[in-house]
Amino acid sequence: ETGVTQTPRHLVMGMTNKKSLKCEQHLGHNAMYWYKQSAKKPLELMFVYSLEERVENNSVPSRFSPECPNSSHLFLHLHTLQPEDSALYLCASSQFTSGSAYEQYFGPGTRLTVT
Amino acid sequence: QKEVEQNSGPLSVPEGAIASLNCTYSDRGSQSFFWYRQYSGKSPELIMSIYSNGDKEDGRFTAQLNKASQYVSLLIRDSQPSDSATYLCAVNRKSGGYNKLIFGAGTRLAVHP
Repeated sequence: ETGVTQTPRHLVMGMTNKKSLKCEQHLGHNAMYWYKQSAKKPLELMFVYSLEERVENNSVPSRFSPECPNSSHLFLHLHTLQPEDSALYLCASSQFTSGSAYEQYFGPGTRLTVT
Repeated sequence: QKEVEQNSGPLSVPEGAIASLNCTYSDRGSQSFFWYRQYSGKSPELIMSIYSNGDKEDGRFTAQLNKASQYVSLLIRDSQPSDSATYLCAVNRKSGGYNKLIFGAGTRLAVHP
């Protein structure tokens, strides 16, 4: 266990559904990240929150909506997804400074299937 | 040119041998380098970080960094079948005043008995 938890671990949803992914970190970190991992593709950074402020939105479609209510929790709200959005969604956390890149620790991921 | 490049493999080594995994990066300003291990169906697990030129050892793992040549490598000594996984190289890039990690596509390692 890395100290980063994600729920649910598996999710099947139709294209018209609305669902949310949840991430919680118990490491005292001040930055949290959402990544998408599709088969045979590198990890794609989606969103970055530092001190609860979004600092990066990596050209992600608006059907993905992040929320960071505090430094320990991160959500990804999903609506009207497409089948190509099926992937492993990973949450990570780290310490954050402008001077250095610190280690990121990943949660177990949510395997999302869009039907 | 990709920012972080790795040979996709598979790299096949016999049990007990040394596995050598390589990674090159394009941003000369990068200062932080990480190796993650990812088992099939699981999330990436951090195994090594390196910030200075030279070697860093941790158990059976050694990370090597050469900033002049822009490469970082991971050596696994006495490879075990349990080391069979995909190894991801990650390199920092400054973006909008903060650092973010850029990941390579990974090298698949297969250790056979």
